[in-house]
Amino acid sequence: QQQVKQSPQSLIVQKGGISIINCAYENTAFDYFPWYQQFPGKGPALLIAIRPDVSEKKEGRFTISFNKSAKQFSLHIMDSQPGDSATYFCAARMEYGNKLVFGAGTILRVKS
Amino acid sequence: NAGVTQTPKFQVLKTGQSMTLQCAQDMNHNSMYWYRQDPGMGLRLIYYSASEGTTDKGEVPNGYNVSRLNKREFSLRLESAAPSQTSVYFCASSYTNRGGYTFGSGTRLTVV
Repeated sequence: QQQVKQSPQSLIVQKGGISIINCAYENTAFDYFPWYQQFPGKGPALLIAIRPDVSEKKEGRFTISFNKSAKQFSLHIMDSQPGDSATYFCAARMEYGNKLVFGAGTILRVKS
Repeated sequence: NAGVTQTPKFQVLKTGQSMTLQCAQDMNHNSMYWYRQDPGMGLRLIYYSASEGTTDKGEVPNGYNVSRLNKREFSLRLESAAPSQTSVYFCASSYTNRGGYTFGSGTRLTVV
């Protein structure tokens, strides 16, 4: 049973376009929502994160949008570049402790 | 500034063999984690250690044991490997109760 549901499984975007990856959760005890980026043969690396008291967070070309009432959050990559081609994971952390539950991942390919 | 170091990077085992995956971090993090990554399933928590001297089961602990040797090192042992344990294993570390895991580069394990 996936506690964090991520979609789509894969995504192809043209260079310069916007990449959008969505995640949904059920457990209201989650209190921290990070996104990780993983390149082939490497471990995941923290990209950007948000807390549920904020509706949006932007860092460069990467933006997280958070909808607490709908229990959904999404990653937007503006002006997508071939170097953004990677697997992206959303995650959620339980209120107590620091254990992360991950989505299934989205393989992003940006075509030049 | 090594971060999280995992050894070995690749391993092939025969069914029934045992092995230990090693993990060490040099960031003075309190918490350490073992995840496995399988296609379409994201990262699933096997075991974690909130602090030196404590370990707890995660989502998929069966067939594994762990040892938190000291603050820096957290090992994962497969006592009798099974083909279902073929996966990529990631070790991660973080400060207690603060998000932002740092992951190692992974161990790709094949059990034949």
